[in-house]
Amino acid sequence: DTGVSQDPRHKITKRGQNVTFRCDPISEHNRLYWYRQTLGQGPEFLTYFQNEAQLEKSRLLSDRFSAERPKGSFSTLEIQRTEQGDSAMYLCASSPSGYYGYTFGSGTRLTVV
Amino acid sequence: DAKTTQPNSMESNEEEPVHLPCNHSTISGTDYIHWYRQLPSQGPEYVIHGLTSNVNNRMASLAIAEDRKSSTLILHRATLRDAAVYYCILRDGRGGSQGNLIFGKGTKLSVKP
Repeated sequence: DTGVSQDPRHKITKRGQNVTFRCDPISEHNRLYWYRQTLGQGPEFLTYFQNEAQLEKSRLLSDRFSAERPKGSFSTLEIQRTEQGDSAMYLCASSPSGYYGYTFGSGTRLTVV
Repeated sequence: DAKTTQPNSMESNEEEPVHLPCNHSTISGTDYIHWYRQLPSQGPEYVIHGLTSNVNNRMASLAIAEDRKSSTLILHRATLRDAAVYYCILRDGRGGSQGNLIFGKGTKLSVKP
């Protein structure tokens, strides 16, 4: 297993455009998490899935953000009408059910110009 | 949410032990103490976790105070590859949404050759 994969690694977009990121978790992990990290800060929780069900969303996840995990495998995070404040590293993590550590991907770095 | 307090930064010399402190005076009985680290340009990486007893694994040791209000992550022989931001996180053992990882700013560890 190659771990958690995120695509793309880098994305530059113009303000107002929509962007979509993909996360492929470790295959046997049924929990999947999205985090956002800005420079000098720790990662901030956005949302998590157990299988295909989205069980929690942070207040940080405005209505411009939507996440899906249609078949309980890969997940996508879409940001509509991007703003400069959306510039950040978007991290995905997965874990098995129960009390285990998370495995993080290397992230997608978004720059909104 | 229970909070942790860590020094912003620490320095170490290569091949010497490193003791990274964490204070968590408001820890509850169901909170586990987790440590993650984040190398430059990578996602966080699980290091170790514990509840009451000291814990050892191939990466590090975790020493937990008897009153559980503080803990120390111990790297026995620091290498240049250990230079990273280290996060001490309290994670509710009851799981569910209460068990999501909430990161602070962490301690930036520098290792000098």
